[in-house]
Amino acid sequence: AQSVTQLGSHVSVSEGALVLLRCNYSSSVPPYLFWYVQYPNQGLQLLLKYTSAATLVKGINGFEAEFKKSETSFHLTKPSAHMSDAAEYFCAVSPGNQFYFGTGTSLTVIP
Amino acid sequence: DTEVTQTPKHLVMGMTNKKSLKCEQHMGHRAMYWYKQKAKKPPELMFVYSYEKLSINESVPSRFSPECPNSSLLNLHLHALQPEDSALYLCASSPRFEGKTQYFGPGTRLLVL
Repeated sequence: AQSVTQLGSHVSVSEGALVLLRCNYSSSVPPYLFWYVQYPNQGLQLLLKYTSAATLVKGINGFEAEFKKSETSFHLTKPSAHMSDAAEYFCAVSPGNQFYFGTGTSLTVIP
Repeated sequence: DTEVTQTPKHLVMGMTNKKSLKCEQHMGHRAMYWYKQKAKKPPELMFVYSYEKLSINESVPSRFSPECPNSSLLNLHLHALQPEDSALYLCASSPRFEGKTQYFGPGTRLLVL
């Protein structure tokens, strides 16, 4: 069975601090991996995706994620948090013809 | 253009009403999806259309009826809904069905009274 685990349903960081949102997946085949962001009362916006090219993937708004096969992880990072980064973040995996979302991590940025 | 549009943005309906949600994309994508999302939860897949044919129905109650009139348009017909059906309904599309990036619309916020 395929699944995605996001450790930490709530993460708080100070403005300017490092953002680290964790995502681990289980998949029997190399998957496609995605990070989406959802601002209040909006749809999901694609931040970045891994499709087996480079293991370090750069996305929009200064975010990046590193695919680590040995750790089955795809953690999302941003060097310096901005107030506008406060949102819900979803990791997703697509090993085939399905799409599996993690439970989400709510990011709070403290001024 | 990576835009998926959804109308209406907000909808309030009674349990005896019939209403429809509309989703449109002009990216040439051949797979389209309906999701239901409750507050602070991930989206739950409802239906998938691939090449205008229903590919997946995740055991959704018959009071939800999807329709794909053409490759750009996806509708969700609603009838006799329950208050627990109140949620954000998201439409998404992808170039094809199978592991490809899904692009989401802004959603329709539905309230059933």
